[in-house]
Amino acid sequence: DTGVSQNPRHKITKRGQNVTFRCDPISEHNRLYWYRQTLGQGPEFLTYFQNEAQLEKSRLLSDRFSAERPKGSFSTLEIQRTEQGDSAMYLCASSFGRSGKYGYTFGSGTRLTVV
Amino acid sequence: DQQVKQNSPSLSVQEGRISILNCDYTNSMFDYFLWYKKYPAEGPTFLISISSIKDKNEDGRFTVFLNKSAKHLSLHIVPSQPGDSAVYFCAASEGNQFYFGTGTSLTVIP
Repeated sequence: DTGVSQNPRHKITKRGQNVTFRCDPISEHNRLYWYRQTLGQGPEFLTYFQNEAQLEKSRLLSDRFSAERPKGSFSTLEIQRTEQGDSAMYLCASSFGRSGKYGYTFGSGTRLTVV
Repeated sequence: DQQVKQNSPSLSVQEGRISILNCDYTNSMFDYFLWYKKYPAEGPTFLISISSIKDKNEDGRFTVFLNKSAKHLSLHIVPSQPGDSAVYFCAASEGNQFYFGTGTSLTVIP
């Protein structure tokens, strides 16, 4: 297990299309997080799963966004009817238990460009 | 409403000297503070953390200082090395999420 894996690394889509990203966390990690990072900003929290349960969602996560983590393993983040403002780096992270002291392990991200 | 702020977008230091990166926060309920390092085209990598009940934590060349009364923390890197050149993000945790600053780009000049 080499860390958190995200696919695809890059995605270019036309406005109005739907996109789906995948995250494979570190296998023994029970917590999974999605963050979004735009140019010149730090990562912003989107949502968090403990096992298969989605326990927290940010107000940034509009109704066009949906995330799932079936069976508590990999996760998908879908954006419907993409808008140019959705262009960003989408980061997935995982941890075992609360991560305040040891931080999360982040993946390399999926860069979305909406044209 | 930015709860964690890094007011210096960039910093350049000579190899071997000290790098000091600063971060301010507004929420007194944060329980852990962390520093992440990010290289281009990679995700952030955890570097060091400090609990809100401590004022200093050291790990090798990296030391984080926390001043709760000023709501300020800093990361000291001594001695700085060219491989330390990266973007450094300060983050603070409350509950199950982290709040990140906007990052400081550190360049260590050989």
